[in-house]
Amino acid sequence: AQTVTQSQPEMSVQEAETVTLSCTYDTSESDYYLFWYKQPPSRQMILVIRQEAYKQQNATENRFSVNFQKAAKSFSLKISDSQLGDAAMYFCALRDYQLIWGAGTKLIIKP
Amino acid sequence: NAGVMQNPRHLVRRRGQEARLRCSPMKGHSHVYWYRQLPEEGLKFMVYLQKENIIDESGMPKERFSAEFPKEGPSILRIQQVVRGDSAAYFCASSPGAGGHYTQYFGPGTRLTVL
Repeated sequence: AQTVTQSQPEMSVQEAETVTLSCTYDTSESDYYLFWYKQPPSRQMILVIRQEAYKQQNATENRFSVNFQKAAKSFSLKISDSQLGDAAMYFCALRDYQLIWGAGTKLIIKP
Repeated sequence: NAGVMQNPRHLVRRRGQEARLRCSPMKGHSHVYWYRQLPEEGLKFMVYLQKENIIDESGMPKERFSAEFPKEGPSILRIQQVVRGDSAAYFCASSPGAGGHYTQYFGPGTRLTVL
């Protein structure tokens, strides 16, 4: 069975600093996709970044980047220059055709 | 290009009533997914539909829950005889195809409260 694990229920970071959110997963597939979604208090689910498993290069979107370690089945999200608007729940997800979700990490930004 | 639309945003029902949740996918998207999010938890897959077909309903409770995606109109998630445990946020997502390389785009969700 495919699983996604986020071991950090909550993380906090000072504004303007860098924070890394952890995610590990398990799948028997060789080709798959990984995602980070952000859920602010509005509860809208917003795509942050995606990674194709067959690509060696780590995905980057502005201040957001991932560290994808395929052999270790690890997919962490790094947020640089944290901003108050980054405060949200962050979910890691693995896609077969449906999405398999982690339990989420609550990110708190300290001003 | 409008995003995924869900209505209502909030729905209150008494135990035993029926709940109907609607989802209009993004233009050009023919694949719809429903997920449920209980408080303080991640999302759980419920059902995957294409136009007029249920492709995978393995995450949906066998009783009281049904889903459809007709040729015309929105996808409907229907919950009959609601119970308190059905209180949750229900999210719909759509994509233009089924492959993993297609990103799923989410609606704002419907928060169902059962009194």
